[in-house]
Amino acid sequence: QVRLVESGGGLVKPGGSLRLSCAASGFTFSDYYMSWIRQAPGKGLEWISYVSSSGTTKYYADSVKGRFTISRDNSNNSLSLQVNSLRAGDTAVYYCARVSYSNAFDIWGQGTMVTVSS
Amino acid sequence: DIVLTQSPATLSLSPGDRVTLSCRASESVSSSYLAWYQQRPGQAPRLLMYATSSRATGTPDRFSGRGSGAVFSLTISRVEPEDFAVYYCQHYGNRPPYSFGQGTRLEI
Repeated sequence: QVRLVESGGGLVKPGGSLRLSCAASGFTFSDYYMSWIRQAPGKGLEWISYVSSSGTTKYYADSVKGRFTISRDNSNNSLSLQVNSLRAGDTAVYYCARVSYSNAFDIWGQGTMVTVSS
Repeated sequence: DIVLTQSPATLSLSPGDRVTLSCRASESVSSSYLAWYQQRPGQAPRLLMYATSSRATGTPDRFSGRGSGAVFSLTISRVEPEDFAVYYCQHYGNRPPYSFGQGTRLEI
């Protein structure tokens, strides 16, 4: 069964850091590009980061550039997002998603909640 | 960056109705890179359509997509109770940034 499971969310103070993880199973992880998307409470979807299958090419939304770092470990079928210098506006559910061969996001995890508050 | 505008924000319907959701891009985009997602309350989004008119695995055939240039639409021929959800269009291009519309909520 193709599955993505996020973890690592929680409550953090402004300026703090977290490391979000996404465990993949049921498919050949190293064959696929991966992405992170977030959704603030009651709001829409915001794409935030993308990594190529090898991990060498990475893109970020302007809203997180310089603060967030995406990485992957193909030997452990895992995707990560290091989130630093957190702000209240980063409060959201963070989803990891598989980028299909057509470039759409065909598999999503259930999400992990990040709350930034003092 | 491409901005996607969905309309209307909310649609009130009854089961069995036919509905068309609209998604307009701020500039012309390739129809190969337009997708629709469904998000039910408390759940993660699910890919419904990609490349404008291709159904993702598991998408019922009552869903259809069309469009070109900057105007795209998703039609549900007969709305079922499980279709009441929020729908997002997305332009994914061949490289980021990727953009989502703000969503259309279907409510009973």
